[in-house]
Parts: sequence; C-alpha cells; structure tokens
Amino acid sequence: EMVMTQSPVTLSVSPGDRATLSCRASQSISRNLAWYQQKPGQAPRLLIYGATTRATGVPPRFSGSGSGTEFTLTISSLQSEDFAVYYCQQYNDWPRTFGQGTKVEIK
Amino acid sequence: QVQLVESGGGVVHPGGSLRLSCAASGFTFSTYGMHWVRQAPGKGLEWVAVIWYDESDKYYVDSVKGRFTISRDNSNYKLDLQMNNLRAEDTGIYFCVRDFSRFSSHWQPLDSWGQGTLVTVSS
Repeated sequence: EMVMTQSPVTLSVSPGDRATLSCRASQSISRNLAWYQQKPGQAPRLLIYGATTRATGVPPRFSGSGSGTEFTLTISSLQSEDFAVYYCQQYNDWPRTFGQGTKVEIK
Repeated sequence: QVQLVESGGGVVHPGGSLRLSCAASGFTFSTYGMHWVRQAPGKGLEWVAVIWYDESDKYYVDSVKGRFTISRDNSNYKLDLQMNNLRAEDTGIYFCVRDFSRFSSHWQPLDSWGQGTLVTVSS
C-alpha cells in the first residue's frame, strides 16, 4: 500500500503570509496526486489534481508542484477562508491513500 | 449541478449490518465511477471502495474486504454500500464521491463529494 506522509501536522500562519505544505509518497506516483481542502463540518473539496492543475473555481493563490515522490501545495497569501485542513491523495495505485492531513491555523 | 445525498447511517452493534445509499443527480450517473470514503471522528480521510461506471470492476481497502460490498443502480442513479460484520473501527462519516472524469476510474482524482452519513458502531 502506498503511504502518503504530510508535513507539518500543524502550520501556524498569519493572514497574508505564505504557506507551504509538503506531501511525500512511499513510491513514485508520477503526477497522480491531488490536494483537498476540508473545513470543519464540511465535505472535502478538490483543489489541485495532476499535482499542478487547479480545479474549477480554485483561486490562483493555490498552486501545486512536484512529481515522483515529493509534492508541495503553496498558498501564496493566506485569506481567512483558507484556514482549514489539507489532505494529499495519490490516485496512482489501489487502494487510494491519503496523507494524514495538515491543519493550517491562524497564528 | 452535481448533487450527492447519502442516507442510511445510524447506530449499530458490533457484528451488525447497515446499508448506506447515495442518491445522485445533476450528471449522467451511468458514465462515472463512484467511491465511498470515510472519516473517523476527529481523524483523517480513508478511501473505502470504488465501483466502475458499468460495474465491470470494484476495489476495496483491505480492512473491509469480505465485509463490505459496493453496488450501483444506474437506472435509478443510486450507489450503495452494504456493510456487514461491523466493527468499532468502522465508525465514522461515510462520503459518497464521484470520479473527476467519465468512464475509467484509473488515474482519477475524487471530484464531487456528498455531505456524508454518520455510522456509529457501538455496544
């Protein structure tokens, strides 16, 4: 089973600052990686797929990079609505697996 | 727009059974692979199962193999998850999720999510 490891577990950031979230796969997954955002009491929302492509309606301050085993989600200037938990997920192999999540909180 | 509405959650004793359903609308259901993803209270996301758009293939996470069965009714836009021999660790919110693109479920992110239904396994 592909293991996805996210870091850090919690990221404290001030509004307007940049946030960088990392995700590592235990084996190469090419660019078959997605990022999801989940706010309390809500279902997850697809943000990024193909490691770098923003989903429909996602603001350009969200960007993804990486391939193989190392991936990054960057939020260039955090807005109040961006404080949430972010998950990476590989869709290269079965079973699909998620990282444990990174909580982005207000500093 | 795409709408996915789960139902069937509730409280069940260990060893019991429950059947979850997901009513889909706003898209051509018969052309998309569908998934169940769960989330234990206060924990992260865990993918559970997938069924191909035409039921030609299914995959499960190891922890539910032999206990859970995913199925669909394309005529009625419905996705099901039959859960047998439930355990405490099956407790959580179960989300119904659609593939990003039509037809093959290989190499597809998870696109549209329902709001989930809560399953509690407790004695």
